[in-house]
Amino acid sequence: GAGVSQSPSNKVTEKGKDVELRCDPISGHTALYWYRQSLGQGLEFLIYFQGNSAPDKSGLPSDRFSAERTGGSVSTLTIQRTQQEDSAVYLCASSFSSNTEAFFGQGTRLTVV
Amino acid sequence: DQQVKQNSPSLSVQEGRISILNCDYTNSMFDYFLWYKKYPAEGPTFLISISSIKDKNEDGRFTVFLNKSAKHLSLHIVPSQPGDSAVYFCAVHGSGNTGKLIFGQGTTLQVKP
Repeated sequence: GAGVSQSPSNKVTEKGKDVELRCDPISGHTALYWYRQSLGQGLEFLIYFQGNSAPDKSGLPSDRFSAERTGGSVSTLTIQRTQQEDSAVYLCASSFSSNTEAFFGQGTRLTVV
Repeated sequence: DQQVKQNSPSLSVQEGRISILNCDYTNSMFDYFLWYKKYPAEGPTFLISISSIKDKNEDGRFTVFLNKSAKHLSLHIVPSQPGDSAVYFCAVHGSGNTGKLIFGQGTTLQVKP
């Protein structure tokens, strides 16, 4: 597609449920990033993919968070046993290589009730 | 320990005047610097970048200045327009790290008509 696509755009889930967020990067982009932005906060790095591997997953807040990328394209971010503090906007970005500008999707607004 | 800092949470300027947004970083190994603009309920949009081999890059009303000795970069917008009102994030790529983008906390710019 023309840009980075994220789905769903909004997700409301009950505490304790698992959620899966999807990111379709720009075709041909090898680098893919996940960030989150909590209310009133900046952009918090979660994980970075180069191809299908994740050289840096240092930002994942806990072992309830995991991400994968298949075929060097689509990525999913999974949050298990969601907590209220997981409520945030989850942003995905992709770039042609690891040292060029990254382009962001619109984000998924996750609300845990 | 924040590696990228935007010390001004907000800035207000009059339409037509210059807006200057500042960003400081800690690691002299960082070699690629970017500015993003973010409107509410949208993902960040890439604005302008600069590599460490330059000290200035200009694109229309936007100019980024890099002072490597001070580990400081700034974004100048002139003339400022009401549509420039948004949150501005600086971001850095590090040559020695895994390629992830590290963001500052953001500065909210308000341009008054």
